[in-house]
Amino acid sequence: GQNIDQPTEMTATEGAIVQINCTYQTSGFNGLFWYQQHAGEAPTFLSYNVLDGLEEKGRFSSFLSRSKGYSYLLLKELQMKDSASYLCAVQDSNYQLIWGAGTKLIIKP
Amino acid sequence: IAGITQAPTSQILAAGRRMTLRCTQDMRHNAMYWYRQDLGLGLRLIHYSNTAGTTGKGEVPDGYSVSRANTDDFPLTLASAVPSQTSVYFCASSEASSGTDTQYFGPGTRLTVL
Repeated sequence: GQNIDQPTEMTATEGAIVQINCTYQTSGFNGLFWYQQHAGEAPTFLSYNVLDGLEEKGRFSSFLSRSKGYSYLLLKELQMKDSASYLCAVQDSNYQLIWGAGTKLIIKP
Repeated sequence: IAGITQAPTSQILAAGRRMTLRCTQDMRHNAMYWYRQDLGLGLRLIHYSNTAGTTGKGEVPDGYSVSRANTDDFPLTLASAVPSQTSVYFCASSEASSGTDTQYFGPGTRLTVL
């Protein structure tokens, strides 16, 4: 079966750095997405990785290792507005997205 | 303003009733999707459409139907609602059905079936 695993909840301090991990087992791989979802709102696109390595975009970076079936989202200089759920999704061999349950990130002052 | 709109925002529905959730996009995207999101679970694909005139079944299609008469609209119909269909429903769209295909989401419809 297809499976995406990520921690249910994480807590971090404002101004700090946090790493959210995602491991996957899917039928085929055509890319990995990270989305941010604030409570009661729609998911919004953060990043896309299809090749191994680190993609940096401002305070957010995303890493992929296809051989390990592993990705992480790194958030630097945390702000209170970063409190949200972070969703990992893998595009399978049919180009459908398989979604993890999301990681709820709580930022404390 | 470009994007995806969904209607209604929320709805309480009696079991057995028929309900259509509306979704419209103005980005001229080829592909559209319907997901449901339940607490503790990832987004689950209900139905999708790669282009106008075609539709396909996702992971959890039972009890739902869709149509894609044109590029912009992708309504989702519950023929006879059941309490297990209580969920938040998101419509999404993307430019193409393969490749780097970022999906953009509507604001969602919160549906409660009693």
